Amino acid sequence: GDSVTQMEGPVTLSEEAFLTINCTYTATGYPSLFWYVQYPGEGLQLLLKATKADDKGSNKGFEATYRKETTSFHLEKGSVQVSDSAVYFCALRTPTGVQGAQKLVFGQGTRLTINP
Amino acid sequence: DTEVTQTPKHLVMGMTNKKSLKCEQHMGHRAMYWYKQKAKKPPELMFVYSYEKLSINESVPSRFSPECPNSSLLNLHLHALQPEDSALYLCASSPTRDRGNTIYFGEGSWLTVV
Repeated sequence: GDSVTQMEGPVTLSEEAFLTINCTYTATGYPSLFWYVQYPGEGLQLLLKATKADDKGSNKGFEATYRKETTSFHLEKGSVQVSDSAVYFCALRTPTGVQGAQKLVFGQGTRLTINP
Repeated sequence: DTEVTQTPKHLVMGMTNKKSLKCEQHMGHRAMYWYKQKAKKPPELMFVYSYEKLSINESVPSRFSPECPNSSLLNLHLHALQPEDSALYLCASSPTRDRGNTIYFGEGSWLTVV
């Protein structure tokens, strides 16, 4: 079945450092790909998404490019802030066989801590 | 507005209690979901409603009973839960058309079973 593999955390960086969180996937076809972020004590927020190969999703300084040749969707940010401390989940959308119903397959999540 | 509202934010219940979690969205989405998230784990799908009909039940124990009264509301009725059911329960919704639909999550309801 479809699956997502994320780099294991936790990841600890200093403020203004460059961030990469690796994400690779296994799926039939070309699924839509997502990064969600979960701040402490909160629900999941969509950070960015890409729906087809070579698409680049971006938001709040974060970027990820859908690479079908390497089946990857790595998350990057050029200069992280303390406020970026959170858990980041990579996910893909997989068919359910039911009209209108989607299913997300999540990676295990990567906990990111940014120190001042 | 991409808001999914969940109540209550926190709930403590005994193993013999009956309680409900509520979820509301006004984005016109016709697919709604319940997810369960344990600490340090990704969310796990429990139920999917599509056009107000239960479409997917991921083998969830019957002590969890979902209900979709209308296209904006989703409830999760809880009865005779176990301590291991303590978790964050996330409601979500999504449009039912087009590729690349985004699933929008609520802030979650933190459930503690004592």
